[in-house]
Amino acid sequence: DTGVSQNPRHKITKRGQNVTFRCDPISEHNRLYWYRQTLGQGPEFLTYFQNEAQLEKSRLLSDRFSAERPKGSFSTLEIQRTEQGDSAMYLCASLGLAGEQYFGPGTRLTVT
Amino acid sequence: DAKTTQPPSMDCAEGRAANLPCNHSTISGNEYVYWYRQIHSQGPQYIIHGLKNNETNEMASLIITEDRKSSTLILPHATLRDTAVYYCIVHQQGGSEKLVFGKGTKLTVNP
Repeated sequence: DTGVSQNPRHKITKRGQNVTFRCDPISEHNRLYWYRQTLGQGPEFLTYFQNEAQLEKSRLLSDRFSAERPKGSFSTLEIQRTEQGDSAMYLCASLGLAGEQYFGPGTRLTVT
Repeated sequence: DAKTTQPPSMDCAEGRAANLPCNHSTISGNEYVYWYRQIHSQGPQYIIHGLKNNETNEMASLIITEDRKSSTLILPHATLRDTAVYYCIVHQQGGSEKLVFGKGTKLTVNP
């Protein structure tokens, strides 16, 4: 069990650029979640997958955001035309058998 | 919105027990109480959860009142590494299982 991993850990980009983050969940976990966390706040739910199916998206996930989990294993989160308001920590988690979620270390995005 | 209320901050001396309270007066009968913590610049870490009975694991104990309207997370012998933001989350198993975080309690363990 290597835990949940996320890459990159840090990303600095200029406004208007596209960025993509990757999450590798715990291998036997079918559910994968994305959250966003801004400074001083708790994480906020963005979207989740059951295997390769995206089952729910938050209203926070604007049209510029897209998430995929093509083979039901790793997932990617893409942000197009980034804005300064997208600067945040993006967290990924996978779901254990008792309803507990295991989080990765996060990707910190800074949009300049 | 989060269905829990927690104090924004608490302090504890190293080696002493840390008791973190949480109010969840609108909890439903099939909702569990989950606790997570987040050490600075890391992802949240699951600690413990319970429905109505008290629970204990290697990290902490969870005491849930009989009416289930509040709970207390107990770290029996706090260390400096326990300094973190602690989140109490009321959560129904099944469904989406998405977590709704509040602002949590910032616990500072002092030497």
